[in-house]
Amino acid sequence: DAGITQSPRHKVTETGTPVTLRCHQTENHRYMYWYRQDPGHGLRLIHYSYGVKDTDKGEVSDGYSVSRSKTEDFLLTLESATSSQTSVYFCAISESVPSTDTQYFGPGTRLTVL
Amino acid sequence: GDSVTQMEGPVTLSEEAFLTINCTYTATGYPSLFWYVQYPGEGLQLLLKATKADDKGSNKGFEATYRKETTSFHLEKGSVQVSDSAVYFCALSDSGYGGSQGNLIFGKGTKLSVKP
Repeated sequence: DAGITQSPRHKVTETGTPVTLRCHQTENHRYMYWYRQDPGHGLRLIHYSYGVKDTDKGEVSDGYSVSRSKTEDFLLTLESATSSQTSVYFCAISESVPSTDTQYFGPGTRLTVL
Repeated sequence: GDSVTQMEGPVTLSEEAFLTINCTYTATGYPSLFWYVQYPGEGLQLLLKATKADDKGSNKGFEATYRKETTSFHLEKGSVQVSDSAVYFCALSDSGYGGSQGNLIFGKGTKLSVKP
């Protein structure tokens, strides 16, 4: 299994509070991704990174920001959490260009915003 | 934009039955196609992939053929087992032309339950 950990694995928070999710990899892969999974929507890309300090928006980036100061860590921040951000969040990594390369997924973080 | 459509679930089969999960796509470039599987309580993992037309991906008894003429990538298995119970996602990634990073676009997923 690819070395990907996510923390926390579960979190309950209140509307309006800031939340940061962490993804940590030990594979030294260049690309990292944050997805959210919701019933009836599959997985949707929030943000991705193609190198240290190089990030870009995905399909559903509103309300989220990311940072990548080291190859191994990719942080997802909800500046002011809303109930619509209740979801399961997955981090993924890939070694090379995502168009053909396999993405490896972490175990997920279940976030509940009350 | 690019999109993936896969059959609605849930799909319930008896052990040793034949499985087909339909997947069709819309893409402007030359996509690679993937099937990912998610077992209960886990993240997704790659099941198989095909990077060009007429390629067949296969793994663990599952197969899918990249059909450009019908824009399809249907997943098949000849004899399913209880351990195949999971959610299956079809996905595409464009070639990265035109400035795109070639990120994955997923279908909504199809839940498969296999009964003994």
